[in-house]
Amino acid sequence: ETGVTQTPRHLVMGMTNKKSLKCEQHLGHNAMYWYKQSAKKPLELMFVYSLEERVENNSVPSRFSPECPNSSHLFLHLHTLQPEDSALYLCASSQGTSGDYNEQFFGPGTRLTVL
Amino acid sequence: GQNIDQPTEMTATEGAIVQINCTYQTSGFNGLFWYQQHAGEAPTFLSYNVLDGLEEKGRFSSFLSRSKGYSYLLLKELQMKDSASYLCAAMDSNYQLIWGAGTKLIIKP
Repeated sequence: ETGVTQTPRHLVMGMTNKKSLKCEQHLGHNAMYWYKQSAKKPLELMFVYSLEERVENNSVPSRFSPECPNSSHLFLHLHTLQPEDSALYLCASSQGTSGDYNEQFFGPGTRLTVL
Repeated sequence: GQNIDQPTEMTATEGAIVQINCTYQTSGFNGLFWYQQHAGEAPTFLSYNVLDGLEEKGRFSSFLSRSKGYSYLLLKELQMKDSASYLCAAMDSNYQLIWGAGTKLIIKP
């Protein structure tokens, strides 16, 4: 595997379900990100981890819970989601978080539909 | 507040040149990125500017004016495969990327 991978690629879940999104980066990067992308809206940064420590949490609802067990893996745990949470969830990684070290490499995304 | 403005959609002809503009307002500034995103795919990095001026990379060039809070992406010799969304993102004083909603570029034969 190369680059940034995400599983699953598609997920349909009910509002009472619990599921997890997985991201893995094979680039030796130190920072990882979760973004939400909704149609015709800017990318919304949800979480940033740098060297496995969370450095940014943009007031994301608690029904989204991130986990970063090591610098290569990032999870997004989902529970009791709402239909408006349906979107494309993108994972990204970068060498660092400043200057051009912030060039981010994105995974293919998980298309989430909440019924 | 922090804001990025770019046109929602543009149309151009194969073989022509197109310029996609982006204006930004951020708390501090540490550079500007352009990304390309084909439908259903992940964004991919195109360019990074932190100093004023033009950076050229093959058919793509990116320009920055820090005093005007303005950047543009110039695409030359357009090809059908250039049909995509182009995302502008400015990095603020906390090194957080502030993203625009993207410009959908449609290339016609």
